[in-house]
Amino acid sequence: EPEVTQTPSHQVTQMGQEVILRCVPISNHLYFYWYRQILGQKVEFLVSFYNNEISEKSEIFDDQFSVERPDGSNFTLKIRSTKLEDSAMYFCASTSGTYNEQFFGPGTRLTVL
Amino acid sequence: QQQVKQSPQSLIVQKGGISIINCAYENTAFDYFPWYQQFPGKGPALLIAIRPDVSEKKEGRFTISFNKSAKQFSLHIMDSQPGDSATYFCAASKDRSDYKLSFGAGTTVTVRA
Repeated sequence: EPEVTQTPSHQVTQMGQEVILRCVPISNHLYFYWYRQILGQKVEFLVSFYNNEISEKSEIFDDQFSVERPDGSNFTLKIRSTKLEDSAMYFCASTSGTYNEQFFGPGTRLTVL
Repeated sequence: QQQVKQSPQSLIVQKGGISIINCAYENTAFDYFPWYQQFPGKGPALLIAIRPDVSEKKEGRFTISFNKSAKQFSLHIMDSQPGDSATYFCAASKDRSDYKLSFGAGTTVTVRA
């Protein structure tokens, strides 16, 4: 069964460092998303991506964040200068767009020290 | 702005009992209402979803009830099993031009054997 994969599963970084979180969406899907979940809290939308451009972004997704689909299969989230409050689980999701059935990856736990 | 409100925060049910989780939404443009199940350390997994053209949808032991006029929907887990112990999130999204999911705060369900 096709699934969304994410790497790494856990990333530890120092405050101010850049991190790149990677995702491989399901192959025939067209819409891609990043969400985050601070420990014990709800899942929050960060950004959606369609047709090689951002279609929507939340207030959380400021200039420190960027997304890219560099090679037609990977979908990345970059945080340029991490802050302590960026510590969270980051989930990638994708959908074909026929129905809004978003499939989530297992997540990357980002710890900023 | 909390677009989807979910209750209760947690519940404990005996094996074989019924778990009921309620959600209310504010945005009348929402027309897709999924429920996600999340186990610790894992990504949310789509459990069941409903669109507002029906008032109820059942899949196995899981049923969504939808009340469009009240802007409420609920998840019923029948014959609850210990393996159902997880956090359940309701979510909502607008039509096909805007797929981002707005999540509720989550309900932690514990099924006692």
